[in-house]
Amino acid sequence: EAGVTQFPSHSVIEKGQTVTLRCDPISGHDNLYWYRRVMGKEIKFLLHFVKESKQDESGMPNNRFLAERTGGTYSTLKVQPAELEDSGVYFCASSQDRSTEAFFGQGTRLTVV
Amino acid sequence: AQSVTQPDIHITVSEGASLELRCNYSYGATPYLFWYVQSPGQGLQLLLKYFSGDTLVQGIKGFEAEFKRSQSSFNLRKPSVHWSDAAEYFCAVVPFSGGYNKLIFGAGTRLAVHP
Repeated sequence: EAGVTQFPSHSVIEKGQTVTLRCDPISGHDNLYWYRRVMGKEIKFLLHFVKESKQDESGMPNNRFLAERTGGTYSTLKVQPAELEDSGVYFCASSQDRSTEAFFGQGTRLTVV
Repeated sequence: AQSVTQPDIHITVSEGASLELRCNYSYGATPYLFWYVQSPGQGLQLLLKYFSGDTLVQGIKGFEAEFKRSQSSFNLRKPSVHWSDAAEYFCAVVPFSGGYNKLIFGAGTRLAVHP
């Protein structure tokens, strides 16, 4: 069974550009989470989808970040326009329901120059 | 606000030596507690978790952790470290009984293992 897959694994973009990160959860997992780790600090929660609905987006840093999960399958996280402070590792995780273990992807390392 | 503190940013041990990684949390009640590991090029993998009951929990890869309510700690231990344990370790909490939502992570401890 495939795990949580994230694309791309690395991305280097210039300040002001747009980047879209993708997460493919484990098949059948209704819950999908995005987290971010900036500059070797704590991994911080960004948002939580249940199927295609945003259950909790309290961790989204600002309106330059847009997350979608059309059809309740894969999810995208778009940063537009990217700023230097957006650099970090973006993790995606999925779980079957809210009370079961969330499995993490390998992360996307984003570097904004 | 809830927080997780991992006081050691880097730890180096010799292969075969014992290991203890420290974790303290700040929360009024007992949260759910987790340890994750991230090996190079890999995603975060759950090592073990504590919800209730026996305060000494066993995990995968020979790791264990002990919950101490009086110290608000959940330290991770391994009696004999292997070179493959070199990785970054994260302690995390979920401060309510809603399951795995909104994990609050510590800053991580990077473990190096000398042969």
